[in-house]
Amino acid sequence: DTAVSQTPKYLVTQMGNDKSIKCEQNLGHDTMYWYKQDSKKFLKIMFSYNNKELIINETVPNRFSPKSPDKAHLNLHINSLELGDSAVYFCASSQGPIGTDTQYFGPGTRLTVL
Amino acid sequence: DAKTTQPPSMDCAEGRAANLPCNHSTISGNEYVYWYRQIHSQGPQYIIHGLKNNETNEMASLIITEDRKSSTLILPHATLRDTAVYYCIVSGSGTASKLTFGTGTRLQVTL
Repeated sequence: DTAVSQTPKYLVTQMGNDKSIKCEQNLGHDTMYWYKQDSKKFLKIMFSYNNKELIINETVPNRFSPKSPDKAHLNLHINSLELGDSAVYFCASSQGPIGTDTQYFGPGTRLTVL
Repeated sequence: DAKTTQPPSMDCAEGRAANLPCNHSTISGNEYVYWYRQIHSQGPQYIIHGLKNNETNEMASLIITEDRKSSTLILPHATLRDTAVYYCIVSGSGTASKLTFGTGTRLQVTL
């Protein structure tokens, strides 16, 4: 069974559209994350949620809105997509929010904005 | 979070040990050293972490110097499937700690 899954795997869309990426973990973890990896391969954290509460919010445009309906899911909604949003987005989860907890990553969603 | 410095790339022959160095001279007392790797655009994969003592698991060994300013990840018998970008990360143990990925070391394992 896949521990951390993301859908879709690939997403191609036009500028200005609104899209969502879904993430689910079946590890029973309390904390989930979204990371963005740009074309230069830099991997940066965007958000983290612990028990459905936002605990990390890096400097991310407010067009990005994470939503956690329950502990096992953390979806990422993006409004008014821009060319610069093209990247690979990774979801991750860990048992807790602290630095000592191992993070498990999903396979990524490659977003291409045309 | 403390920053880390890693060589941009390394080569290793298959079957030999791969020793990947990392400098973290500004590490503080409660910060751990983590190693993750990313194989060809897959999601990063946890390898190992440690605080002060050397650590070993089924994947690798982590050697941390006594002053904790540097560490070495050792893959004892590298295989072609170990070709990846390896990230050394320092992260605190407090709440809301986060992983800050640098540029990592691209390890190429060759025949």
